[in-house]
Amino acid sequence: QSALTQPPSVSGSFGQSVIISCTGTSSDIGSYKRVSWYKQSPGTVPKLMITEVSDRPSGVPDRFSGSKSGNTASLTISGLQAEDEAHYYCISYTTSNTWVFGGGTKLTVL
Amino acid sequence: EVQLVESGGGLIQPGGSLRLSCAASGFIVRYSYMSWIRQAPGKGLEWVSLMHSGGTTYYADSVRGRFTVSRDDSESTMYLQMNNLRPEDTAVYYCARDRGLLGPGPNWGQGTLVTVSS
Repeated sequence: QSALTQPPSVSGSFGQSVIISCTGTSSDIGSYKRVSWYKQSPGTVPKLMITEVSDRPSGVPDRFSGSKSGNTASLTISGLQAEDEAHYYCISYTTSNTWVFGGGTKLTVL
Repeated sequence: EVQLVESGGGLIQPGGSLRLSCAASGFIVRYSYMSWIRQAPGKGLEWVSLMHSGGTTYYADSVRGRFTVSRDDSESTMYLQMNNLRPEDTAVYYCARDRGLLGPGPNWGQGTLVTVSS
């Protein structure tokens, strides 16, 4: 159950786009569409942003989108806003019937 | 409205035991999949356990054999029994309502802090 691999940090300018990658293996991301993304601002509970690789829950801006190719999932945030600055975590179901998170990525909006 | 409230955290010595509770309202626990997730101070999220609606349980390698999830349907409460605690178990523990087999959904509790230290 090794953690999924995310870049520790990414940054982008206001209004631009960023992509956060989440790399796993054929035993997790590569086997299922069960990949979600969470946003966590300091001192708050994680908020679900993307589910089933690319579905946005109600209320999540369409600036947030998800995709998957092979063993890597990606979260794209377009039209960066100041309020997007936070930590982002991916999670995937595994062939062991467990879940595994990524290490998290800190997004800085410049 | 779905609500989850964790309790039972505190300071415990290494090797000790603690039981966390997750009181649920706004949905029927016995029909739900629910997870425990933890976050060490200043660190990332770590999935801990999953309980299916039918009672089947799964655990992360780091806690398997030491932690046990259970549920009291009459009390709409899920529990996490933690034995043989280690300093590396120090974390805020969250319970979450899963979206079936789609993983932790939007409903999380506020968390309860467990500190393992002598």
